[in-house]
Amino acid sequence: DTGVSQDPRHKITKRGQNVTFRCDPISEHNRLYWYRQTLGQGPEFLTYFQNEAQLEKSRLLSDRFSAERPKGSFSTLEIQRTEQGDSAMYLCASSLGTSGGTDTQYFGPGTRLTVL
Amino acid sequence: QQQVKQSPQSLIVQKGGISIINCAYENTAFDYFPWYQQFPGKGPALLIAIRPDVSEKKEGRFTISFNKSAKQFSLHIMDSQPGDSATYFCAASYESGYSTLTFGKGTMLLVSP
Repeated sequence: DTGVSQDPRHKITKRGQNVTFRCDPISEHNRLYWYRQTLGQGPEFLTYFQNEAQLEKSRLLSDRFSAERPKGSFSTLEIQRTEQGDSAMYLCASSLGTSGGTDTQYFGPGTRLTVL
Repeated sequence: QQQVKQSPQSLIVQKGGISIINCAYENTAFDYFPWYQQFPGKGPALLIAIRPDVSEKKEGRFTISFNKSAKQFSLHIMDSQPGDSATYFCAASYESGYSTLTFGKGTMLLVSP
């Protein structure tokens, strides 16, 4: 399967614990995006990378959230001291990010986080 | 401030009917408008997209109609099938998609057999 993959698919944690999610983009895709989706809502942008550089962060991304993309390949999203309000589906998307035409984002299956 | 407004929230259509979902945007700097389809437990998948230099784009049973002056666009699903039952999201982006997506709240479509 050459699509975007995310791990784990489901995570249940207790309030106050730290969690880390991983995203593997489509091979050769330069851009990688993180979105958060709560029940009954559309995905909301969190942050994105062009290769290994983090180019933009949403104001939704509090200090407890950190994302990395070492070597411009896979990415990790860490949430420290989780709160119940962090319960959501965390979606990763990737795109070619090279100039010319339009740039399409392809989404992974998401990681569903439940904070008890 | 919701930049992309989507309606209806839910929709029930009989098999073979036409499903119509509408979206309106506020920011005239948006220049790329994709529609995504999402099944339960899955990530959104691109269905069809349009740029504002055309008023309509058709791919199979799916058509986007775009009204630049009204800042509105809609998705039409012709000959709707039970397999089309899913949640549909409109979205908007700048720079021909080379930026983040702003999504509507979604429309849950149910196509009855």
